[in-house]
Order: sequence, then structure tokens, then C-alpha cells
Amino acid sequence: GQSLEQPSEVTAVEGAIVQINCTYQTSGFYGLSWYQQHDGGAPTFLSYNGLDGLEETGRFSSFLSRSDSYGYLLLQELQMKDSASYFCAVSEAGTALIFGKGTTLSVSS
Amino acid sequence: KAGVTQTPRYLIKTRGQQVTLSCSPISGHRSVSWYQQTPGQGLQFLFEYFSETQRNKGNFPGRFSGRQFSNSRSEMNVSTLELGDSALYLCASTVGGRVDGYTFGSGTRLTVV
Repeated sequence: GQSLEQPSEVTAVEGAIVQINCTYQTSGFYGLSWYQQHDGGAPTFLSYNGLDGLEETGRFSSFLSRSDSYGYLLLQELQMKDSASYFCAVSEAGTALIFGKGTTLSVSS
Repeated sequence: KAGVTQTPRYLIKTRGQQVTLSCSPISGHRSVSWYQQTPGQGLQFLFEYFSETQRNKGNFPGRFSGRQFSNSRSEMNVSTLELGDSALYLCASTVGGRVDGYTFGSGTRLTVV
């Protein structure tokens, strides 16, 4: 079966940089995705990494190392509105998208 | 374009009853997945449907079932409700490939009393 590990909570201040790590154990791995969910809201897609390396989308970047079964989401120039839960999710051949338990990011001023 | 629509938004049911939740995906999206979200447990996978066929099923008891119609709309049913079924049930749709990213609905908040 699959398993994903990510920290349960991370705290940071406005303007800082924070990295949320995700390690996974799967077979037939396709790629790693990241989703953001604000309290009471729907999860929204942030990024997808199918190959090793860094993907950048504005203030957010995501990294994948397939050999290490490891990825991370990097959030720069943190803003209060970035306070949310962040989920990593793995895609496997022939199975559904499986999510980690999420990391709650709290940004303070 | 319209997003993923889930109805109803909130539901209160009594133990032992059954419930049906509905999900209308984005137009053109043929894949619909259902997740159960409870505090501390993240999103737990229930089912995935593609073109009216169940493609994958999560590790939930047989009380949880689903289906997809020819217009890609999907329903999930929970029979003999238990207190532990209280959760946010999320539906997500995608064109067909997971690399595209799922679009989630706002969910149905089910409370079992």
C-alpha cells in the first residue's frame, strides 16, 4: 500500500520562507501533487511534479526526488493568506490519487 | 466555467439511516473521485469513477457505495449510518488524468447524531 508522511504543523512569520516536506512509499509511482485547503474551503491544486527537479509557480515551488521518494513545497514571501493546510498526494499507475494527512501552516505578523 | 457542484452542502442524519450525496463535475470531466475528510485524518479515498465504471475503490466498508451516470454526474450512498461517518465528503473531477490536477467541490458536511 501507499504511505505519505508530512509534518502536521508548521509556523512562520510574514515575509519568511517555509518548506513543507513529504516522503512517500508507493509502487508504480507517477508523480507528486500539492494541494492547498483553507478552513472551510475546498482543496485547490497547486502543483504537480512528474520528473525530478523544481517546478516554480509564482511564490510557490515544488521539488521532487524520485530516487529519495521525497518532495517538498516551498513557499516564499509568506503572506497571512497563506495560512492553510497543505497536502501532498501521490499518483500511481492504476490507482487513485492518495493524499497525506496534511500540514497546517500558520503565518503570523 | 462552472465548478464542481456538490449537494447538499449540509446534512444531519440519525444513526441507522442512509444518505445519498450528489456531485456534478466540471463539464467535459469524465473522472470523479470521492474522499472523506475528518480532522487529523486528511483526505481518505473512497472511490473513483471514469465513464460510468468504478476504476478504484478505497478501504471502506460495503456500506459505502457509489455510481456514475452517463452525464458524468456521480452519487455516493452510505447505508446504516454510524456516528463515525460524520465527516466532510469531497468530490473531485478531472478530465481523465491525475497529472491535470483535481478540481474539488466544496463538499457535503454530514453529521450523524
